[in-house]
Amino acid sequence: GAVVSQHPSRVICKSGTSVKIECRSLDFQATTMFWYRQFPKKSLMLMATSNEGSKATYEQGVEKDKFLINHASLTLSTLTVTSAHPEDSSFYICSAGTSGNSYEQYFGPGTRLTVT
Amino acid sequence: GENVEQHPSTLSVQEGDSAVIKCTYSDSASNYFPWYKQELGKRPQLIIDIRSNVGEKKDQRIAVTLNKTAKHFSLHITETQPEDSAVYFCAAVAGGSQGNLIFGKGTKLSVKP
Repeated sequence: GAVVSQHPSRVICKSGTSVKIECRSLDFQATTMFWYRQFPKKSLMLMATSNEGSKATYEQGVEKDKFLINHASLTLSTLTVTSAHPEDSSFYICSAGTSGNSYEQYFGPGTRLTVT
Repeated sequence: GENVEQHPSTLSVQEGDSAVIKCTYSDSASNYFPWYKQELGKRPQLIIDIRSNVGEKKDQRIAVTLNKTAKHFSLHITETQPEDSAVYFCAAVAGGSQGNLIFGKGTKLSVKP
């Protein structure tokens, strides 16, 4: 149980274009989903927290107009990197938390974004 | 806000030896401390976690200890095997958050056969 999928696994796009990444909880309802960014050989940096049906909460320093997050249902959250630039190239990972008092988070397989 | 420090950044052990990774946190309101294992290019996998109402938890070769007074927690891996080689991250839930995890910088563990 507690499987999280992410699509696409890899994407290459040109500067100035937008890219959408989907995160799905396959066998449970995720009240809260989290989006992380991970640079090579570095730790996971929390970008934002999204709750179904409400606006995402962004961490300090993360541009909300550049990284659009939508949590349309209890099983789907999307991250759109708008007007991508080479410095946005990174590994983006989502995680989903179950409801209740559990803090357990289950991670998706990640999306490798390369902006040329 | 919460700050998590993790040491060491790299750790090399001989197969069969034990490995210990230590983390400290700053937010006394944190009450959940998971450990994740991440292999190259793959997702982090939860290997063990501990809540603030217990001091120790064990699962086969893996154990975690928590000292709330000192605000530190440690991961212990006994009888290490080459397949334990990976990057290990500790994390703490930021107090008062929706479960936001703040991660340590990671420890690259190498187990030599």
